[in-house]
Amino acid sequence: AQKVTQAQTEISVVEKEDVTLDCVYETRDTTYYLFWYKQPPSGELVFLIRRNSFDEQNEISGRYSWNFQKSTSSFNFTITASQVVDSAVYFCALSGNQAGTALIFGKGTTLSVSS
Amino acid sequence: DARVTQTPRHKVTEMGQEVTMRCQPILGHNTVFWYRQTMMQGLELLAYFRNRAPLDDSGMPKDRFSAEMPDATLATLKIQPSEPRDSAVYFCASGLSSALNTEAFFGQGTRLTVV
Repeated sequence: AQKVTQAQTEISVVEKEDVTLDCVYETRDTTYYLFWYKQPPSGELVFLIRRNSFDEQNEISGRYSWNFQKSTSSFNFTITASQVVDSAVYFCALSGNQAGTALIFGKGTTLSVSS
Repeated sequence: DARVTQTPRHKVTEMGQEVTMRCQPILGHNTVFWYRQTMMQGLELLAYFRNRAPLDDSGMPKDRFSAEMPDATLATLKIQPSEPRDSAVYFCASGLSSALNTEAFFGQGTRLTVV
């Protein structure tokens, strides 16, 4: 069975602080895909990143970075120099290696960034 | 700007009434997902289709929920009869299924309230 655990329910930081959102996953598939989505207060789900299980290279996109550690089954997300606009619920998700397999989501982490 | 379109955005209905939610996937996408989001359960997969064929609807209460794709440009989710516990935000997402999995693009959701 596949499972995604986001242990942090809520995180509060002050602007310009760095913050890391944790994601731990479980799967028996040898090939799988990991995702992060952002859900701002307006409610839509915005795709942030997809990572293949055979590509452990970390990725940086502006203030966002992702650390994929297969050995610990983790795919953590770091926001550097957080801003108020980063306030949202962030979801980590996992899908299997069958084409078109549905995403299984974690419960989400609510990030509040205050000025 | 291609996006998944869901209608209606908001729906308030009385218990026992039929509810139909519609989704227009991104043109060219061949995979469609239906998710339900509640505070308690988070994002739950209800059903998904590939090339209009249902692949998995095990997340749906079969006695009252039904999902269909009458054509490649329309997916529907029906609840009959609706119950207060069905109150949630229902998201449709679409993606292009291939040998390499891909991200799912989400619509803005239908907020359903059953009174």
